[in-house]
Amino acid sequence: AQSVTQLDSQVPVFEEAPVELRCNYSSSVSVYLFWYVQYPNQGLQLLLKYLSGSTLVKGINGFEAEFNKSQTSFHLRKPSVHISDTAEYFCAVSEGTSYDKVIFGPGTSLSVIP
Amino acid sequence: DAGVIQSPRHEVTEMGQEVTLRCKPISGHNSLFWYRQTMMRGLELLIYFNNNVPIDDSGMPEDRFSAKMPNASFSTLKIQPSEPRDSAVYFCASTRMGTGKFFGPGTRLTVL
Repeated sequence: AQSVTQLDSQVPVFEEAPVELRCNYSSSVSVYLFWYVQYPNQGLQLLLKYLSGSTLVKGINGFEAEFNKSQTSFHLRKPSVHISDTAEYFCAVSEGTSYDKVIFGPGTSLSVIP
Repeated sequence: DAGVIQSPRHEVTEMGQEVTLRCKPISGHNSLFWYRQTMMRGLELLIYFNNNVPIDDSGMPEDRFSAKMPNASFSTLKIQPSEPRDSAVYFCASTRMGTGKFFGPGTRLTVL
């Protein structure tokens, strides 16, 4: 069965600094990969997704992620963060190539410090 | 589009009472999901529907939980009787093929 690991539960970073949020998954089959963001007291919002093709995926709000099949990773990056990026970020992996059954990681809390 | 709509946004009830959470998915989306989020367990999939039909309810914790989708624009998640350990934020999400999930704002349930 698939599983998702987000190694960092909390990531503090200064405003305008770059950030990388790490995500690793375990699966023996092809999968779809997602990053979601959750702002305080709100639902999750899709940041970006990898289905196939280019391993570098660009999403909303200046975020991007790179799929690395050999390392089974899908790290999220942003070159310069803003205060408004403070939120919880969830990596998710599908069960096989299914849009329906998606396993979420435990989340990484990103705090941007002025 | 208004997005996924959930009601109520907050619910406080006493142990033993029946709780009904409601969800209106985005028009045109054919899959609907119910998730529960807690600090201890993170985000858990409870049940999902395709074209109004329940496909997988293996995440439903026990028989006290039930979900229905009588039509493409409405779903309910019911807990009867409710218990304090059911306290959580319950999210509804909808999707159609090729998109990621669109989540509602959630219902924060507190069972006293």
